[in-house]
Amino acid sequence: NAGVTQTPKFQVLKTGQSMTLQCAQDMNHNSMYWYRQDPGMGLRLIYYSASEGTTDKGEVPNGYNVSRLNKREFSLRLESAAPSQTSVYFCASRDLGVPYGYTFGSGTRLTVV
Amino acid sequence: EDQVTQSPEALRLQEGESSSLNCSYTVSGLRGLFWYRQDPGKGPEFLFTLYSAGEEKEKERLKATLTKKESFLHITAPKPEDSATYLCAVRVGGSEKLVFGKGTKLTVNP
Repeated sequence: NAGVTQTPKFQVLKTGQSMTLQCAQDMNHNSMYWYRQDPGMGLRLIYYSASEGTTDKGEVPNGYNVSRLNKREFSLRLESAAPSQTSVYFCASRDLGVPYGYTFGSGTRLTVV
Repeated sequence: EDQVTQSPEALRLQEGESSSLNCSYTVSGLRGLFWYRQDPGKGPEFLFTLYSAGEEKEKERLKATLTKKESFLHITAPKPEDSATYLCAVRVGGSEKLVFGKGTKLTVNP
């Protein structure tokens, strides 16, 4: 089925470890996004890529880096994980100029101990 | 600062008992208001986009409306399968960012 695929679904890291969250979409969308979702808070934008070759900071970018590898793939990297980065991470995509909503992946649940 | 507030935080209904969820917003230059449904352990699923005051959208038992300061998600004769968290988000002018509310957790009892 067409959509946004995220890997892994679950991950436990120790403080200071690094990891990359992967995201791929097969809808030929131009824009891709990384959000985090924490209890009692709305989804918050970490980074986004409006088109292949461009990336921009969102609301909470500190501690993260991103790579737009090609039109399909957008990865999120934690260089030195901290307990404050324990969260559920969602990748999303949308087609610029098309007046409908973003398509979200099923999420990666990350725990940093 | 752009803000989205959803109320109530949680709502319990009996099957068939109609109600409304509220999303109020204070933003500069609204470029769209979105409603999503989120089931436990899953990503948000797109429901509706509204762009201008007076606009309405419907899908099965759900109807979304928009005024200049708020949006309502009306649920008519809900069923247990409508149980989920409903998220409201706004896109502001010139920005790629969606500002999300904290959501309303809806439980429909049979």
